[in-house]
Amino acid sequence: AQSVTQLDSQVPVFEEAPVELRCNYSSSVSVYLFWYVQYPNQGLQLLLKYLSGSTLVKGINGFEAEFNKSQTSFHLRKPSVHISDTAEYFCAVISGNTPLVFGKGTRLSVIA
Amino acid sequence: KAGVTQTPRYLIKTRGQQVTLSCSPISGHRSVSWYQQTPGQGLQFLFEYFSETQRNKGNFPGRFSGRQFSNSRSEMNVSTLELGDSALYLCASSLGWPLNTEAFFGQGTRLTVV
Repeated sequence: AQSVTQLDSQVPVFEEAPVELRCNYSSSVSVYLFWYVQYPNQGLQLLLKYLSGSTLVKGINGFEAEFNKSQTSFHLRKPSVHISDTAEYFCAVISGNTPLVFGKGTRLSVIA
Repeated sequence: KAGVTQTPRYLIKTRGQQVTLSCSPISGHRSVSWYQQTPGQGLQFLFEYFSETQRNKGNFPGRFSGRQFSNSRSEMNVSTLELGDSALYLCASSLGWPLNTEAFFGQGTRLTVV
């Protein structure tokens, strides 16, 4: 079965600094990868997705992620964070007929 | 286009009772999935429906059940509630099955069992 590991449960970062949230998935022949964001008392909102094609994926709010098949990673990056980026971020994977499988989440705290 | 609608948003129930949660997917979407979110366990998959048929089921006891109607709306039911069932229950809809594009999530139903 597919699994997703988010290596950091909490990431504090100063405003306007860059950030990277790490995600590794268990290997499979063909996977689709997603990053979702969750604000307090809200559902999940899609940030970006990798289905095929270019390994560098750009999403909303200035986020981007790079699919690395050899390292089975899909790390999320933003060059300059804002206070409004404070939220919980979830990496997710799907393969074949399996349902969407999520990592445990990374809580990003942006410090003014 | 309306998003995924979950009702009710909040529920308080007593141990031993049962509860039914509802999810209306985005118009045209035929697949609905349910997830339980708790601080300790994160997002755990409950079940997935497409064309009124359950396609996948997570590792939850039989007290958790669901169904999908011909208009793609879905309900999930939890019987004999336990304190540990307190969680945010999220519903997601997608165009088809298996999922080959993004899933759209509702705002969730927060269930508190006392």
